[in-house]
Amino acid sequence: ETGVTQSPTHLIKTRGQQVTLRCSSQSGHNTVSWYQQALGQGPQFIFQYYREEENGRGNFPPRFSGLQFPNYSSELNVNALELDDSALYLCASSPTGREQYFGPGTRLTVT
Amino acid sequence: GQQLNQSPQSMFIQEGEDVSMNCTSSSIFNTWLWYKQDPGEGPVLLIALYKAGELTSNGRLTAQFGITRKDSFLNISASIPSDVGIYFCAGRIIQGAQKLVFGQGTRLTINP
Repeated sequence: ETGVTQSPTHLIKTRGQQVTLRCSSQSGHNTVSWYQQALGQGPQFIFQYYREEENGRGNFPPRFSGLQFPNYSSELNVNALELDDSALYLCASSPTGREQYFGPGTRLTVT
Repeated sequence: GQQLNQSPQSMFIQEGEDVSMNCTSSSIFNTWLWYKQDPGEGPVLLIALYKAGELTSNGRLTAQFGITRKDSFLNISASIPSDVGIYFCAGRIIQGAQKLVFGQGTRLTINP
């Protein structure tokens, strides 16, 4: 039990639509990161937030954006969905920035 | 960009056998982490390594941070059915965001 929760569990969207995924981490975990995991692959880093500011981004286009809130919750927004965006989206929080604790993920299917 | 080469990709073993898997990279990492992921779940942290040469155990699991900081291995002794799953190594860099770079995973299957 990592104390990291994500919603929804599953989501089906149509190409071109927009989606918001949510994450809630433990109190005191000031760092939250989002990862995309395609089937059969390891997670790929999307971006990281520290104290509500983005402090790093992976190789993802600007249509992937995020927010972090003071209550240790965060959001991942994806605009103009493409078929290749179908994946498991993972949120990970950290108290120190060293080890990261993952939530169960949101499975997004784009049709 | 950074890449981790994790091997083997899959393992089929008998219950009670020992398991060994490793990750190598051309890049230097400041932290090595080992995760286990079950189907439909998020990765669960097994072991964290913070210093080159460090050897850390967690029950039947033992992992080491390579001296060159470019590799790590994970051993599982006396495997049991609940060890089935996908194991990922992850290296942490500090360049702006403290992102994790993951290996491709090792799928462990155990025959009872």
